[in-house]
Amino acid sequence: DAGVTQSPTHLIKTRGQHVTLRCSPISGHKSVSWYQQVLGQGPQFIFQYYEKEERGRGNFPDRFSARQFPNYSSELNVNALLLGDSALYLCASSPQVGGQETQYFGPGTRLLVL
Amino acid sequence: DQQVKQNSPSLSVQEGRISILNCDYTNSMFDYFLWYKKYPAEGPTFLISISSIKDKNEDGRFTVFLNKSAKHLSLHIVPSQPGDSAVYFCAAKRGDSNYQLIWGAGTKLIIKP
Repeated sequence: DAGVTQSPTHLIKTRGQHVTLRCSPISGHKSVSWYQQVLGQGPQFIFQYYEKEERGRGNFPDRFSARQFPNYSSELNVNALLLGDSALYLCASSPQVGGQETQYFGPGTRLLVL
Repeated sequence: DQQVKQNSPSLSVQEGRISILNCDYTNSMFDYFLWYKKYPAEGPTFLISISSIKDKNEDGRFTVFLNKSAKHLSLHIVPSQPGDSAVYFCAAKRGDSNYQLIWGAGTKLIIKP
């Protein structure tokens, strides 16, 4: 079975631009979470979606938004990019939400904002 | 406010010996803890977890110990192998949260031949 896939793998943008990152969960997984990992730090939670509904949001500005599609894939959108948005963006999937569900991660999209 | 702390940025261990990675937390609402391993250019890979109702969980060469009174957990790898060289992250989840994992900053483990 394929794991979590993310596209693109790398991306270079300039300040003020918009970016869309994509994630396909493991087959059968209905929950997708997004994390931002800045160099030298652990991942920071951005969003979780389950059954196309937002179930949780981390401490990120409104420039960050996401959605989940009927096939459970997901997009993360970031508007008005800042230099500080340069990071590795990780997508994780799990079968359900709640309890002690283990999240399985994709390889990430490395975003560089110039 | 760092709720999950990994105070050692790096650790070097001889192949075949025991590797011990440590993690401290401050939030008493955490009830589930996980360890992930991350290689460069890859996403984190789940290693092992432990519920707050237990004090030990073992899976092959990996054992996680939880000391709730000290708000401390540790990951033991025995014996250490060259393929264990990676960054190890400790993560925690609150009992009243369905979603959010809180992560430490990671410890880079280097296994010397």
